[in-house]
Amino acid sequence: GAVVSQHPSWVICKSGTSVKIECRSLDFQATTMFWYRQFPKQSLMLMATSNEGSKATYEQGVEKDKFLINHASLTLSTLTVTSAHPEDSSFYICSARDGQAGNTIYFGEGSWLTVV
Amino acid sequence: LAKTTQPISMDSYEGQEVNITCSHNNIATNDYITWYQQFPSQGPRFIIQGYKTKVTNEVASLFIPADRKSSTLSLPRVSLSDTAVYYCLVGGGTGFQKLVFGTGTRLLVSP
Repeated sequence: GAVVSQHPSWVICKSGTSVKIECRSLDFQATTMFWYRQFPKQSLMLMATSNEGSKATYEQGVEKDKFLINHASLTLSTLTVTSAHPEDSSFYICSARDGQAGNTIYFGEGSWLTVV
Repeated sequence: LAKTTQPISMDSYEGQEVNITCSHNNIATNDYITWYQQFPSQGPRFIIQGYKTKVTNEVASLFIPADRKSSTLSLPRVSLSDTAVYYCLVGGGTGFQKLVFGTGTRLLVSP
């Protein structure tokens, strides 16, 4: 199946700093990418949807100034957590739509963020 | 957006067939039905996708009745490694669509 890669797989940062997570579709072009966060033993919560070359659409309750999403190319989307705080610690997962494969959505491996 | 309803959890034993049913009464005409498997600390893994009737691949089968208001994921002869959370999602049709996850079904396979 199609591959979506996230980097880094885990990161630790200090409170107040910013951290960037990359999401790449390795073997297909993804016009749409999605970002989720997941707390232990809970389901995935959609944070935002991004289309290549346009601004991301954020879900209600998600601060767009805190979670900056950039989708500059058809294979790369980035999530930047700005001025991170311990409550931002979570598992972040991206996904990408393969428009050539019945619009199937493929997910990255996820990125663990710990803010200390 | 179609909302999905699944059992919260299921238990099974190795070698048995497991059927997980998902209800999606508000599915749209151009929505696909997709099932994902998730292990702890990993991203969801695509299992199978269908639009209507029956779809089968090397790991599972997906049964979709004519009204498409529900679907059933069938896992033949499960093993311990099939212990995971299984999510049913609808959407992904043409155009700008997002996928919202429901609670999923926690499957526990015991020896």
